[in-house]
This record gives sequence, structure tokens and C-alpha cells, in this order.
Amino acid sequence: KAGVTQTPRYLIKTRGQQVTLSCSPISGHRSVSWYQQTPGQGLQFLFEYFSETQRNKGNFPGRFSGRQFSNSRSEMNVSTLELGDSALYLCASSLFSSGGSGETQYFGPGTRLLVL
Amino acid sequence: AQTVTQSQPEMSVQEAETVTLSCTYDTSESDYYLFWYKQPPSRQMILVIRQEAYKQQNATENRFSVNFQKAAKSFSLKISDSQLGDAAMYFCAYRSQGAQKLVFGQGTRLTINP
Repeated sequence: KAGVTQTPRYLIKTRGQQVTLSCSPISGHRSVSWYQQTPGQGLQFLFEYFSETQRNKGNFPGRFSGRQFSNSRSEMNVSTLELGDSALYLCASSLFSSGGSGETQYFGPGTRLLVL
Repeated sequence: AQTVTQSQPEMSVQEAETVTLSCTYDTSESDYYLFWYKQPPSRQMILVIRQEAYKQQNATENRFSVNFQKAAKSFSLKISDSQLGDAAMYFCAYRSQGAQKLVFGQGTRLTINP
């Protein structure tokens, strides 16, 4: 079974632009979560989607948004990019969203975003 | 809010020896899950081991085992017979029952000396 895939793997943007990142979960997985990883702040939760609905959201400004499609693929968008948005963006998928004992999140390889 | 603390930014160990990585967490919840993830230079996060808080028995996965002390809110990872491929950043993570959000510690960089 194929793992979580993320595209693109690398991205360079300039301040003020917007960017869209894509995540395809493991086949059959319906929950997709996004995380931002930076040297200063570490790994921080952005949001989680399940069945096309946002279930949980981290403490990020409204410039960060996401969505999930009927095939469980998810996109996240960052508008009006700032230098501080440079980070590795990780996507993780799991079967459900109930957070039960049988659930584990599997991570994709990440998208490295550099904002100049 | 839950917090996870890894007090060792870096650790090193000789190949074939045993190393223990520390993790403490803070929560008022009684049901939750704890994880250790490994992030090698490729940046791919890989699940190493998981522990359900309601289980008293410590989880083990081959050379990896944990020491889960619920009352002390401590969750350390022991790696036995360290191998060069174990070199990576190791993250301790907490997840509440009923949610997918993972709360991560700051990570411990593990170096394996041949």
C-alpha cells in the first residue's frame, strides 16, 4: 500500500505570494492532519480534516487554511506569505478521526517551503 | 493545554550499546496516548513505538522499549543494541483520547558512534 504523498516536495516563494500544498493520504484513510516544523517553534499542529470537515485547528492566523476533498486528498493554503512561514509542512493520515486506541498517524515526506 | 518536554537536545551512543531518551509531559487527562517518532535526515517521520495510558505494561518493539511512569508523567525510550541506522531526531508526542492532534516535544538528536 502506498504511503502518504505530498506535493510539491520543495517550493520557493516570495513574500506576499500565496501557496497551495497537497497531501494524498494512504488509501482508505479518511483523516488528514497538517503540521508545521520550524527550527524555532518545532512541530506545531495546524489543522485536521475528516470527511471534508475541519475537525480541529491549531493556533495559526487565518492566512493558513485547508480543505479536504471527497477522495480524502487535502490541500493547505497559505496566503500573503511571510518570511516566518518558511518551514517543513508535514501531512499525516489515519483511518478515522476518533482518536481511538487503534489509530496511528502516518506521515508524508513533507513539503519544504522557503519564503524569500 | 498539554505540553511535552524533552530535556536532552542531543545524545550520543556507541554502536551496539544501549541509550535512553527522556520525555516528560503535562496533562490533566487520564486517557491519552504517547508516541515516539523518529525523523532521519530524509525528514520522514516514522513511528517507533506507541503506548496507551490505560495499559500498565510497557510497550516494546524489537530493540525499542519504553518506560512509562504514569504518575510521574514520564515516558522514556530505550534503544538496545544501537545501530548506525538509528541516528535521527527523536520526538516524543502526546495525543488526547478522541482527537488526532499530536503535541510534540522539541526533539532529541541521537548520534551513533561506530
